Amino acid sequence: TQLLEQSPQFLSIQEGENLTVYCNSSSVFSSLQWYRQEPGEGPVLLVTVVTGGEVKKLKRLTFQFGDARKDSSLHITAAQPGDTGLYLCACRVSNDYKLSFGAGTTVTVRA
Amino acid sequence: NAGVTQTPKFQVLKTGQSMTLQCAQDMNHEYMSWYRQDPGMGLRLIHYSVGAGITDQGEVPNGYNVSRSTTEDFPLRLLSAAPSQTSVYFCASRIFGTSVTDTQYFGPGTRLTVL
Repeated sequence: TQLLEQSPQFLSIQEGENLTVYCNSSSVFSSLQWYRQEPGEGPVLLVTVVTGGEVKKLKRLTFQFGDARKDSSLHITAAQPGDTGLYLCACRVSNDYKLSFGAGTTVTVRA
Repeated sequence: NAGVTQTPKFQVLKTGQSMTLQCAQDMNHEYMSWYRQDPGMGLRLIHYSVGAGITDQGEVPNGYNVSRSTTEDFPLRLLSAAPSQTSVYFCASRIFGTSVTDTQYFGPGTRLTVL
């Protein structure tokens, strides 16, 4: 059983459309991170959220941490083909320095 | 800085063979770890190290050994390869501290096939 559940598993949209990816758990986290992984490469950190209710923006990407620090979402506005990739969420539980990853959402943006 | 480097990029083994996946980082990070990535299962932690001479098991350690003789290097050894170990392996490193915002850096991965 994975600590983090990501949905949907796959998402295919047309360029210009919006999309949202979810990361959920029954556990409370001290922090949650979002990574993007392109084919043939390692994951790259996009953002870290720490405070319940926190919202962070990275250009067209908006990240939100749930009030109870058990869930998070990633919203992409006006998606572009360059947004294509595997989006992974990862968490650290209290007093633990190890990162646990969700299974990921594969996003494909068609031109 | 080269960041985190991994060799080889690709490897094919026969069942029962042994090999070592190499990982090195030049950022003076204390914390290093190995993950395997399989379709639909995300990244699963194999082993990790919080400094030279200190290693510990992660979520899926069976069939793998590690050692950490220097801060820079963290090799992963497959003792007797099995088809179930066919996967993509990633090495990662970061500063070992109490901050939950520390960035973890990943290598480019080693794609291993066991026949």
